[in-house]
Amino acid sequence: IMLTQSPATLSVTPGESISLSCRASQSISTNLHWYQQKPNESPRVLIKYASQSISGIPSRFSGSGSGTDFTLNINRVEPEDFSVYYCQQSNSWPFTFGSGTKLEIK
Amino acid sequence: EVQLVESGGGLVQPGRSLKLSCVASGFTFNNYWMTWIRQAPGKGLEWVASITNTGGSTYYPDSVKGRFTISRDNAKSTLYLQMNSLRSEDTATYYCTRAEQLDYFDYWGQGVMVTVSS
Repeated sequence: IMLTQSPATLSVTPGESISLSCRASQSISTNLHWYQQKPNESPRVLIKYASQSISGIPSRFSGSGSGTDFTLNINRVEPEDFSVYYCQQSNSWPFTFGSGTKLEIK
Repeated sequence: EVQLVESGGGLVQPGRSLKLSCVASGFTFNNYWMTWIRQAPGKGLEWVASITNTGGSTYYPDSVKGRFTISRDNAKSTLYLQMNSLRSEDTATYYCTRAEQLDYFDYWGQGVMVTVSS
């Protein structure tokens, strides 16, 4: 299953609210998870099963979608949010990741 | 506190072998599936191998099947990745991860670099 993330790069000003897209090549129900990776750090999970929150993750991060179209929303971007975001599907083997969206400061 | 600490990386020639280790602490190791994920320099994430909590089943993508072997020693809370017939395209940072509910990766190690080059 291929995951296509868009845009590849998004330039925003802190305080803006944004949406990142992840599209699957076939239906994956809600078996879609989002990760954040800051430079020189290991990834961390932000959202599980498309829309379920993760303990310790700020409430400004939320997810939605099912089937083939998914969205990660960040409500009022903070300076520490500028990083790369990946989606990952667990509907079927092999588990796959999207190519990532880089969120950069405008 | 959950900790995953990888070791065993380094520079290796094409065609040679390398074995990575990951020592886990802070949780009941034998209750969880474990997974290796890699990231080539400047690239995205790629799932490499998964193993069930008992070690009874393993899973690989085609890119490493037949060359890599994931295993675990639950008595030592240690995960392994035996990598044979290494290729330049295996050059990456390898992350040890815990697989929560078999589906997503809730804890990651700091990563270990493997460079395949002559």
